[in-house]
Amino acid sequence: AQTVTQSQPEMSVQEAETVTLSCTYDTSESNYYLFWYKQPPSRQMILVIRQEAYKQQNATENRFSVNFQKAAKSFSLKISDSQLGDTAMYFCAFMKQASGSRLTFGEGTQLTVNP
Amino acid sequence: NAGVTQTPKFQVLKTGQSMTLQCAQDMNHNSMYWYRQDPGMGLRLIYYSASEGTTDKGEVPNGYNVSRLNKREFSLRLESAAPSQTSVYFCASSYWTEGNSFGSGTRLTVV
Repeated sequence: AQTVTQSQPEMSVQEAETVTLSCTYDTSESNYYLFWYKQPPSRQMILVIRQEAYKQQNATENRFSVNFQKAAKSFSLKISDSQLGDTAMYFCAFMKQASGSRLTFGEGTQLTVNP
Repeated sequence: NAGVTQTPKFQVLKTGQSMTLQCAQDMNHNSMYWYRQDPGMGLRLIYYSASEGTTDKGEVPNGYNVSRLNKREFSLRLESAAPSQTSVYFCASSYWTEGNSFGSGTRLTVV
């Protein structure tokens, strides 16, 4: 079974600064996908970024980028130029390639962006 | 295009009561899921349906049943609610490995 661990329950950052959220996972699979989801106070789950394990290039989406280290089973999220609207709970998630697309989530990191 | 719609948004039940959470998606996705979210534990999979006509247990299926009514609809039933089922419930759907698209959640309280 896969496990996903987010070791930082809470983090804070000043507006316009950069912050990195950590995620590690454990799997024996070689083909899989990793995701970061954002959950603002509205409770809606929003997909932030997706990474395919077979791709060495790190995924980027505007101010969001990942540092994917397959050998270390590490998948961190970097948020640049933090904005107040980035305040949310962030979840790291794992998907096996042949799993019916179901996700295994980490415990989450509550990020607060301070003005 | 509404995406994933789940109802109700809030519900309070007494111990032993039953209820069904409804979910529908209009994205023509094959797979649908029910997760529950508890503080400090992320989201955990209750049941999923990889395609119309199939359902499978996830990580925490005890006390729940599901029905994949058609390609669009996937319902979750609590036959005899217990306080331990107090949680926020999310329905989701997906197209292959693109990631799950989520509904807005149902906050359920069992007293």
